[in-house]
Amino acid sequence: GAGVSQSPSNKVTEKGKDVELRCDPISGHTALYWYRQSLGQGLEFLIYFQGNSAPDKSGLPSDRFSAERTGGSVSTLTIQRTQQEDSAVYLCASSPEAASADTQYFGPGTRLTVL
Amino acid sequence: KQEVTQIPAALSVPEGENLVLNCSFTDSAIYNLQWFRQDPGKGLTSLLLIQSSQREQTSGRLNASLDKSSGRSTLYIAASQPGDSATYLCAGGSTGTASKLTFGTGTRLQVTL
Repeated sequence: GAGVSQSPSNKVTEKGKDVELRCDPISGHTALYWYRQSLGQGLEFLIYFQGNSAPDKSGLPSDRFSAERTGGSVSTLTIQRTQQEDSAVYLCASSPEAASADTQYFGPGTRLTVL
Repeated sequence: KQEVTQIPAALSVPEGENLVLNCSFTDSAIYNLQWFRQDPGKGLTSLLLIQSSQREQTSGRLNASLDKSSGRSTLYIAASQPGDSATYLCAGGSTGTASKLTFGTGTRLQVTL
């Protein structure tokens, strides 16, 4: 079946603009995760959603970052008033449920460049 | 707070060699450990997942081990091939936060002809 998809694949924006990144998880997966991969920083956790539970936002770096998940499926990560340090690859992953036994399946990512 | 370290940062080997990639973590209460590969410009592909109750997992030419007491995991690749060239990442899920993976910075592997 189809894997995790993300759009756009690349996004170039100017400092101060808002951006929205989209993630379509694997159908039937209840858990969805966002990570950020910055040059030289490695992959860092941002937020995850599990079913109808309140999301775990503990990894969001500032209040300019927010995410929502509509209908338990598609998720949107929004970055307001983008800064140059927000430039990174944003990766989305999904798993059947947020349990330790489940592998996380990753999308190809969105490369964000803030000029 | 879980911290994950991978050594070496980069490795180049000739085709056919067996090799070992190392991953160490600071929180021994690790719940699971996953190994991923990442190809340039691509997302992550899961290779192996080891639960805390397991010592190793095997898939084809890959074998991953987990030693919680020493805080280490290794990924063994047998008979390496040029197609194995990629960045290999390990990630741990700690007890209580099993869903939030903490990643190492990766080992960039190049297998030469």
